[in-house]
Amino acid sequence: GENVEQHPSTLSVQEGDSAVIKCTYSDSASNYFPWYKQELGKGPQLIIDIRSNVGEKKDQRIAVTLNKTAKHFSLHITETQPEDSAVYFCAASYPGGKLIFGQGTELSVKP
Amino acid sequence: DVKVTQSSRYLVKRTGEKVFLECVQDMDHENMFWYRQDPGLGLRLIYFSYDVKMKEKGDIPEGYSVSREKKERFSLILESASTNQTSMYLCASRNVLDQPQHFGDGTRLSIL
Repeated sequence: GENVEQHPSTLSVQEGDSAVIKCTYSDSASNYFPWYKQELGKGPQLIIDIRSNVGEKKDQRIAVTLNKTAKHFSLHITETQPEDSAVYFCAASYPGGKLIFGQGTELSVKP
Repeated sequence: DVKVTQSSRYLVKRTGEKVFLECVQDMDHENMFWYRQDPGLGLRLIYFSYDVKMKEKGDIPEGYSVSREKKERFSLILESASTNQTSMYLCASRNVLDQPQHFGDGTRLSIL
C-alpha cells in the first residue's frame, strides 16, 4: 500500500552539528519528494523538494538526497542553529497526485 | 506569496454538532486538500478537490464531507461531530500536479 516511513521520530543535536532525517517510500512510481518544516502554532512550510530525475539538491545549509533504487530519501541540515528546531515532515507523491506524509521528526537544536 | 487562510485557529464543539471548517486561498490554485494531523501519525488526507464542484476521497474520509462551490474556497464538514475527530485540521492548495502544496496555519478542533 501507500506508505512513507520516517526516522527518527525525535532528534536532538548541539548547535553547529549536522542533522539527518531519513524516509522510505513504497511505490516506485513516486516522482516528487518535498520536505516541510512546521514551527509551533504554524502550518507546514516547504523547505526543499526533489524530483526523481535528480539524485541530490542543495539550498544553503539544507540538502536532500534521493536513492530511487532503494526508495530512500534523506534531509541533511548542516551547521544547525536553534531556529532550525521544529517538526520536519517528508512526503512522496503517489498516483492520482496525492502526497503521502511521513510521521514527522521533532528536531531540537541545543545552544 | 501564496496565502491559505483557515477561518478559525481554535474551535470547540459538542458531540453530535454539525461543524464547518473553512479554507480560502488567494492564488487561483486548481487543487485543494484537507488533512488532519495527529501526533505520531503525520498528516493524513481526508478529502481533496482538483476543480470546482469536484471532490475525491482521501485516506480517511469517514465522518467527513466537503464542498467546493468556488475555486478559492474549500469547506470541510463534520456531519455529526464525535470525540475521535478532535484534532488539528490543515488545509492546503497547489497549482497543478507535483507542484508544492501550500498550507494554512491549521484549525485546532476540540469535540467535547
